[in-house]
Amino acid sequence: QKEVEQDPGPLSVPEGAIVSLNCTYSNSAFQYFMWYRQYSRKGPELLMYTYSSGNKEDGRFTAQVDKSSKYISLFIRDSQPSDSATYLCARVRIQGAQKLVFGQGTRLTINP
Amino acid sequence: SQTIHQWPATLVQPVGSPLSLECTVEGTSNPNLYWYRQAAGRGLQLLFYSIGIDQISSEVPQNLSASRPQDRQFILSSKKLLLSDSGFYLCAWSAGGSYSNQPQHFGDGTRLSIL
Repeated sequence: QKEVEQDPGPLSVPEGAIVSLNCTYSNSAFQYFMWYRQYSRKGPELLMYTYSSGNKEDGRFTAQVDKSSKYISLFIRDSQPSDSATYLCARVRIQGAQKLVFGQGTRLTINP
Repeated sequence: SQTIHQWPATLVQPVGSPLSLECTVEGTSNPNLYWYRQAAGRGLQLLFYSIGIDQISSEVPQNLSASRPQDRQFILSSKKLLLSDSGFYLCAWSAGGSYSNQPQHFGDGTRLSIL
């Protein structure tokens, strides 16, 4: 079983819709989680960084962590065409130096 | 503010040729540095990480090597490229410290094609 699993999509939704992106993880140790957004031919850009269970909100983005079910989610409200990108979830694994374990990424398209 | 630079952005190399990709970070001291490879439609695979000058750890056995000659410079190299070395190579940094849980910040990558 992969440490972090993510549905690769692609996911296509109309502009203005609420988007839900999800990941599951298998190892309960070191529970820091991140969401990155990656535009085509660019490096990943940090969107959200969470530690505890519950929700963390930043503008139109909400990250949710459910440690009991080992499930992490990213919600995008009022989605815009500029949100079209690949979204990567990651879990921190700290072993001497901080390491990240990434999901496969979900490719999202917001249609105008 | 901190910035990370990678070059070149695109590279086409013949099989068997050498490789050198460079990454530099500005605006921070003693960062942790990382090299990743991203295959098409796949997540990021950590290749190397470094917590200090000449302190480099390899995550997977491969045809590549890394060096850190200066605090904020990280170089990915190969003596002889293989077809399987094609991919998108990303450099990243995070705040230093052996047990740091700080997020990583990525450069814009080098797209490497081996012919």
